[in-house]
Amino acid sequence: AQSVTQPDIHITVSEGASLELRCNYSYGATPYLFWYVQSPGQGLQLLLKYFSGDTLVQGIKGFEAEFKRSQSSFNLRKPSVHWSDAAEYFCAVEEYGNKLVFGAGTILRVKS
Amino acid sequence: GAVVSQHPSRVICKSGTSVKIECRSLDFQATTMFWYRQFPKQSLMLMATSNEGSKATYEQGVEKDKFLINHASLTLSTLTVTSAHPEDSSFYICSARDGGKDFQPQHFGDGTRLSIL
Repeated sequence: AQSVTQPDIHITVSEGASLELRCNYSYGATPYLFWYVQSPGQGLQLLLKYFSGDTLVQGIKGFEAEFKRSQSSFNLRKPSVHWSDAAEYFCAVEEYGNKLVFGAGTILRVKS
Repeated sequence: GAVVSQHPSRVICKSGTSVKIECRSLDFQATTMFWYRQFPKQSLMLMATSNEGSKATYEQGVEKDKFLINHASLTLSTLTVTSAHPEDSSFYICSARDGGKDFQPQHFGDGTRLSIL
């Protein structure tokens, strides 16, 4: 069955430190890959997406993600975290024409 | 671009009431819209896929008569929770995809917090 795994439920980092959120997927072919961010009580905002081409994609708010086919991973990174980055982050995958499947989410806490 | 507006943001009503939630794509035409439900501290669960001018496709376990979906135009889809009960209290989020271009990601509204007393 198709699935998306975010192994870290919570992550706490200090402000200014680097961040990596992990995401692994289980699909037969390379799906479309996304990272969304959700602040409490809000909808989801698209951070970045990967469809094809360069495996390192840049997104908004200084985020980037790298697609690694051999590891079926699409990890999200940011070199220096800001307090405003505290939120919940969802990795999601979609095969063309099919539904979007979300990971369980990772809650990011930022220490000042 | 790609803004999705969802209204209302919060609803509190009595048990037995029907509640309508609107989802609009403001700057693009959305041939497909999606309705999700999110329980506290959980991920999003797809309820149904709404295609303009046709019947919605519901996910397994979602009651069609309970959650009525209408997608009458390329910019508007509505979800009506009929005869709502406390167990229907949840956070409902819609999304829309731009149908006029190559494959595009889903863009989400800000959600509706539904509380049934």
